[in-house]
Amino acid sequence: GNSVTQMEGPVTLSEEAFLTINCTYTATGYPSLFWYVQYPGEGLQLLLKATKADDKGSNKGFEATYRKETTSFHLEKGSVQVSDSAVYFCALSDFRGNTPLVFGKGTRLSVIA
Amino acid sequence: EAQVTQNPRYLITVTGKKLTVTCSQNMNHEYMSWYRQDPGLGLRQIYYSMNVEVTDKGDVPEGYKVSRKEKRNFPLILESPSPNQTSLYFCASSLGGGPGNTIYFGEGSWLTVV
Repeated sequence: GNSVTQMEGPVTLSEEAFLTINCTYTATGYPSLFWYVQYPGEGLQLLLKATKADDKGSNKGFEATYRKETTSFHLEKGSVQVSDSAVYFCALSDFRGNTPLVFGKGTRLSVIA
Repeated sequence: EAQVTQNPRYLITVTGKKLTVTCSQNMNHEYMSWYRQDPGLGLRQIYYSMNVEVTDKGDVPEGYKVSRKEKRNFPLILESPSPNQTSLYFCASSLGGGPGNTIYFGEGSWLTVV
């Protein structure tokens, strides 16, 4: 079945540091890939997405490239801010299956000033 | 404003007392689903619905029921809640199936069963 594996946290960085959160996936078809973000006390918000191989999703300075050859969708940001502190979820969507959205376990990011 | 609305946002209840968490979306979406979020486990799907009167089990359906009598509403029913159902619950919706459809989430409902 489909699955998503992302690096375990928590990740603690200083402001302006470079961020990478690794995400790899297993899917039988050609899924779409997503990063969702959950700020403290809030629901999930879509951060970015990519629907086919080599697509790059980007938003708010975050980027992730859909790499079919390595089945990866790593999240990166060149310079994090305190306001980026949140839990980040990698997810895949393969609507040919019964479960359209499969999530990783989440990675908590804390950015300190 | 496009949104998914859940109620209640916070609830403490006792074992065995039936409760319903409501979910409503104003985007005319066909697809709706419920997830629970637990530490170290991420989000797991409970039930989903592809359209009115069409529902199916997700990964962790035990102890839950759903109904989809109207397109906009998708309530989650706990007939006899137990402490292991203490969790953060999210309702979600999207326009339909197919890759690339963005899924919108509600703000979450914190449920504690004592």
